[in-house]
This record gives sequence, structure tokens and C-alpha cells, in this order.
Amino acid sequence: NAGVMQNPRHLVRRRGQEARLRCSPMKGHSHVYWYRQLPEEGLKFMVYLQKENIIDESGMPKERFSAEFPKEGPSILRIQQVVRGDSAAYFCASSPDYEGSLHFGNGTRLTVT
Amino acid sequence: GDSVTQMEGPVTLSEEAFLTINCTYTATGYPSLFWYVQYPGEGLQLLLKATKADDKGSNKGFEATYRKETTSFHLEKGSVQVSDSAVYFCALKPDMRFGAGTRLTVKP
Repeated sequence: NAGVMQNPRHLVRRRGQEARLRCSPMKGHSHVYWYRQLPEEGLKFMVYLQKENIIDESGMPKERFSAEFPKEGPSILRIQQVVRGDSAAYFCASSPDYEGSLHFGNGTRLTVT
Repeated sequence: GDSVTQMEGPVTLSEEAFLTINCTYTATGYPSLFWYVQYPGEGLQLLLKATKADDKGSNKGFEATYRKETTSFHLEKGSVQVSDSAVYFCALKPDMRFGAGTRLTVKP
């Protein structure tokens, strides 16, 4: 059973461009979480989604950031008009239900130049 | 909202030393508690968990007991190895918030 797949593994964008980060959850998992990690810092919660629904987006910046988890296909974290401060590792995790443990992908490392 | 507070690092130990990393939580209900480990360049992996008071989670020689009276879930290991060097995160559900992480370095 494949684990949580994130791509790309590394992404370089110039200031002002858009970044699209993809996350395919484990098979059978319908709950997806996104986190951001700055170097030498902890995980900051961004958003929690179930299929076609955003459950908790309290950690998402109000502007430029959006997330979706469509009925078919991966979850997407989209960052518009990126700035240098968006440079970080973005981790996706999935779980089979509300109570289950999270399974993490290996992250996408975004660098904004 | 619910949250966890984790012991600040970094922690440096010699091989075979005893490890304790403190974690306390604040929650309105009865959360499940977790410890995750992150090796360099990787995502987090579940280390152990406990879902109710007095439960003890254990894995790979690590243990943690869910203490409702002290709202704690401290991670312990009796004899650490160099291969245990990593960053350790405490977390709780249902909100799935993580502590700041504690970097452990074990020296031969």
C-alpha cells in the first residue's frame, strides 16, 4: 500500500509566481491535513480537509493561500504571488477517519527566489 | 483551542543514557495523544500513541503514559542509541496540533 505521495519534492519559484503543491493520500484515506515547517521550527497547522470539504482552515493565511481536495484526484495547496517568506517545507498528512493516526508524506520544499 | 507544549531542545545525550522529553497538553475534552519522529529530510512518522487516560504507548523502546491528572504525555527511553537522533514531536487529536519539536542528538 503506497504511502502519502507529495509532489514535487522540490519547487523553485520566483517572487510573484504561483506554486501548486500536490498530495495524494493513502488509499482509503479521506482526511487530509497540510502543515508548514520553517527551518529548525515546528509544524504549523494550515488546513484540514475531507473530500470536497474544508473542515478547518484556521491556520491558513487569509490571502494568497487556498486548498482543495476534490472528489477525484489529489489535494492541492495553492500559493498565489509567492513571496520569499513562503519558502518552507510543506507537509501533507492523511488519515482514514477523524480519530485515526496521521500518515505523512515526505514534503515539498518550496524555495522562492 | 487544544494545544500541546513541548520541552525546548536541543537535547544532547551519550549513547545508553536515559531520555525524557516532556509534553503537556491543554484540551477541553479527552484527546488522543501522539509522539511522532522526524528524521532529516523526511516527513513525520508515528512513534506511539495513547487514546485514553492511563494508557501507555510504546514502540522501539520508547514509552509514554497518558496522565490526565497532570495533563502530560512525557516520552521516555531507558537507553538511547545514535540512531535515535531525530526531532520528536508531541501532538494531540482531534485538532491534530503539534508541539514545537525537540531535537535529540545522541553521541557515541
